[in-house]
Amino acid sequence: DTAVSQTPKYLVTQMGNDKSIKCEQNLGHDTMYWYKQDSKKFLKIMFSYNNKELIINETVPNRFSPKSPDKAHLNLHINSLELGDSAVYFCASSQDHRSGNQPQHFGDGTRLSIL
Amino acid sequence: GDSVTQMEGPVTLSEEAFLTINCTYTATGYPSLFWYVQYPGEGLQLLLKATKADDKGSNKGFEATYRKETTSFHLEKGSVQVSDSAVYFCALSVLNTGFQKLVFGTGTRLLVSP
Repeated sequence: DTAVSQTPKYLVTQMGNDKSIKCEQNLGHDTMYWYKQDSKKFLKIMFSYNNKELIINETVPNRFSPKSPDKAHLNLHINSLELGDSAVYFCASSQDHRSGNQPQHFGDGTRLSIL
Repeated sequence: GDSVTQMEGPVTLSEEAFLTINCTYTATGYPSLFWYVQYPGEGLQLLLKATKADDKGSNKGFEATYRKETTSFHLEKGSVQVSDSAVYFCALSVLNTGFQKLVFGTGTRLLVSP
C-alpha cells in the first residue's frame, strides 16, 4: 500500500495553462505539505495544512492555490503556468505538526514540465 | 535564519569504501535532525534521525551523531554498496509559530561504482 500517493507522476503542458496535482495519504496523519524541488535538487517548502487548515505559506505566488477537502487529501492547483514553474513537486505528511521530531513521509513526486 | 549546509557532490566511491557526507546547521533553539535519501525517480525516504544532542541515529549501516558543540550531523557508513547510490539530504526540523517546518540542505549525490 502506498502511504503518500501523488498523481500524475509526469505533467507536460504549455505556458499559460492551468493544472492540478493531487495528493492522498493513508497514514492517518493530520498534517500535509507541498514542496518544490528545482533542477539542482534544492527542496523548499511551499505550503503546510493541518486538518484542512492552512498553517504555513512560504510566500508562494498566488497562482498556486492548495486545497484540502479532508485531512487525507491536499491538492495543488496552479494557474497561468510559467516556465519557472518547471520542477518536481512533492507532497508529504506527518503525524503531529506540533512536534519537531516527527519525520515527514514523502510521495514519489510529480515532474512538471512547461513548454 | 535556520539553515543547513551540506558538502557539494557528487561523491564518487568504489564499493566497500568508507563514506562521510558532512552536514552543519544553524538554528535557533534545539532542532531535530534528519537524513533523507532520494533514489532516482523516487521521493524522499527517511534514513535516520536524532532528536537531541549526542543522540546517534542509525539505519541500514548508516550512522550520524547530533553534535551540538560543532552544530554538525555528519552521515557515515563503513562500507558502501552500489545500491547506496542516491542523493542524500540533511534536514533540520524547527517549530515555526508552533508548527513543524523542515529545512533541507542542497543534497549530496553519492555514486558508488563496483
